[in-house]
Amino acid sequence: EDQVTQSPEALRLQEGESSSLNCSYTVSGLRGLFWYRQDPGKGPEFLFTLYSAGEEKEKERLKATLTKKESFLHITAPKPEDSATYLCAVQDWAGRRALTFGSGTRLQVQP
Amino acid sequence: DVKVTQSSRYLVKRTGEKVFLECVQDMDHENMFWYRQDPGLGLRLIYFSYDVKMKEKGDIPEGYSVSREKKERFSLILESASTNQTSMYLCASSLGQGDTDTQYFGPGTRLTVL
Repeated sequence: EDQVTQSPEALRLQEGESSSLNCSYTVSGLRGLFWYRQDPGKGPEFLFTLYSAGEEKEKERLKATLTKKESFLHITAPKPEDSATYLCAVQDWAGRRALTFGSGTRLQVQP
Repeated sequence: DVKVTQSSRYLVKRTGEKVFLECVQDMDHENMFWYRQDPGLGLRLIYFSYDVKMKEKGDIPEGYSVSREKKERFSLILESASTNQTSMYLCASSLGQGDTDTQYFGPGTRLTVL
């Protein structure tokens, strides 16, 4: 059974204070690891897909990295508009098409 | 851009009512999914469909059914709504082909059952 654990549950940063969010996963055969951003009361918005250990992807102030056991979402010099819940999810090759999600990290960036 | 729409943003129903939640995608995606999201529990899969008229149970299918008569539309049905079905319901779709299978989500329906 696939499992995803995200930490911390909540993170409060000052504007410009860089940090990282962690996503630890257990999966039989990784097809893809996904990062989403979710604003309150809205659906998740796709950010990145990572496929193999060592892969990195960037988008503005966000950078996602992947190892065989975990993924990190690095936030560089965050702004208040980066405040959201960040969700990590995995998909395996075992035939299950759906994603297994972690509980998310709630990020608050204060001006 | 992929667009997934859901019929209602907010819905209030009474216990015992039959409830229909509609989801439409405009990108000719093969796969469609229904999740529910609750605080502390994350997103949990209710049902998914990988083709017209085809469906598979997810992790929490009890109390729900689904219908997919057309490729672009996937409906979630609460046969007899109960208060423990108060939740945020999220629909998603994915292409279903190739190595990439990114899921794109709709805006969600906040359902309250009184």
